[in-house]
Amino acid sequence: GQQLNQSPQSMFIQEGEDVSMNCTSSSIFNTWLWYKQEPGEGPVLLIALYKAGELTSNGRLTAQFGITRKDSFLNISASIPSDVGIYFCAGLNPPSEAGNMLTFGGGTRLMVKP
Amino acid sequence: DAMVIQNPRYQVTQFGKPVTLSCSQTLNHNVMYWYQQKSSQAPKLLFHYYDKDFNNEADTPDNFQSRRPNTSFCFLDIRSPGLGDAAMYLCATSRDSGRRNQPQHFGDGTRLSIL
Repeated sequence: GQQLNQSPQSMFIQEGEDVSMNCTSSSIFNTWLWYKQEPGEGPVLLIALYKAGELTSNGRLTAQFGITRKDSFLNISASIPSDVGIYFCAGLNPPSEAGNMLTFGGGTRLMVKP
Repeated sequence: DAMVIQNPRYQVTQFGKPVTLSCSQTLNHNVMYWYQQKSSQAPKLLFHYYDKDFNNEADTPDNFQSRRPNTSFCFLDIRSPGLGDAAMYLCATSRDSGRRNQPQHFGDGTRLSIL
């Protein structure tokens, strides 16, 4: 089946630093999603990417859908302590009668030192 | 403003004692999902409902079952919980119009502990 390789697995950075994480896949996706999950909470959608090459921003977050449709990256600029959490990339397969199935990356655990 | 609501947030049950987790949504989405998430891992899909049609993942144990009595509600039943079933259980919803991929929206989960 499809697998997403997400890196790095964890990052420990100083407040104010920029952060970059990425996901690669052995096969293509039509949609890439980035979620953030804080302890004891469910994943929250940060950014959705629908077209190859698309670059989308949400505040200090920027994500791109790779031109080959097999990769995506997420950047966080000027990190702050509340950015702490686990960030998951996820690929969506084309719509089908069975609904939209997500394939998750393994997650990037971000820790920010004030 | 919670749109996918899971109850309870924390559930403790005894080994082998049936337990039911609930999920409701105000989004009027036609697809609902149940995931199991263990510590430091990505969510793992157990099954989903496309409208009233139930779809089970091949590796979901028979111990797990689900009911969707209407569009807004979905339940996860664990018939005989074992210690390995202790996890966070996440409910998610999406709108599948067949024209474009729509992201899934997650609830805050129910953390299940087994004594």
